[in-house]
Amino acid sequence: VQLRESGPGLVKPSQTLSLTCSVSGDSVTGSQYYWTWIRQHPGKGLEWIGYIFYTGNTYYNPSLKSRGTISLDTSRNQFFLKLSSVTAADTAVYYCAREYDDGDFDYWGQGTLVIVSS
Amino acid sequence: DIQMTQSPSSLSASVGDTVTITCRASQNINNWLAWYQQKPDKAPQSLIYAASTLHGGVPSRFSGSRSGTDFTLTISSLQPEDFATYYCHQYYAYPRTFGGGTKVEIK
Repeated sequence: VQLRESGPGLVKPSQTLSLTCSVSGDSVTGSQYYWTWIRQHPGKGLEWIGYIFYTGNTYYNPSLKSRGTISLDTSRNQFFLKLSSVTAADTAVYYCAREYDDGDFDYWGQGTLVIVSS
Repeated sequence: DIQMTQSPSSLSASVGDTVTITCRASQNINNWLAWYQQKPDKAPQSLIYAASTLHGGVPSRFSGSRSGTDFTLTISSLQPEDFATYYCHQYYAYPRTFGGGTKVEIK
């Protein structure tokens, strides 16, 4: 199983951050998986952003204050993150990951750095 | 949110030492705790889940235990490749939360 993040590395303040996670070696329609986004601010710890289930159900960290949207494209075996109204505080390495059966994150992408700056 | 308090934030140790990292949950999380290892500029990698079960391929010098809401990661006979940052993570409830991390450095 491999996950790979892609998207712009630089986003302007107040704009929307958009990232794609491409999954290979497994299907995003698997009923045991929660497809997840996690971020890590520079030099800091890990922050869970949210997940999407194959049914389309989502759950987000309340700390995002409703700015996050996660979606799924089963035909392309991809899932996506959109984070609106970004500020410098959203500068981080963003990881996509697979949560297995309400368990730990057993597969991760390599991470992508997104810088919010004008 | 469930708070995960991890200690120490950093430690220095020598090859061959045994190190212990602790994580305390702010409420009961049963055994729903994982430990991750992260090396510089790499994604975290899960070592242990369900508090004490090693993922396949993880060396047996890593072990995990639980006492109530306190969880411990022990690395016996520290090896050069073990110098990294370690995080605990609770998956008992949403939002999922992580400990602040422990950086294991070479003495």
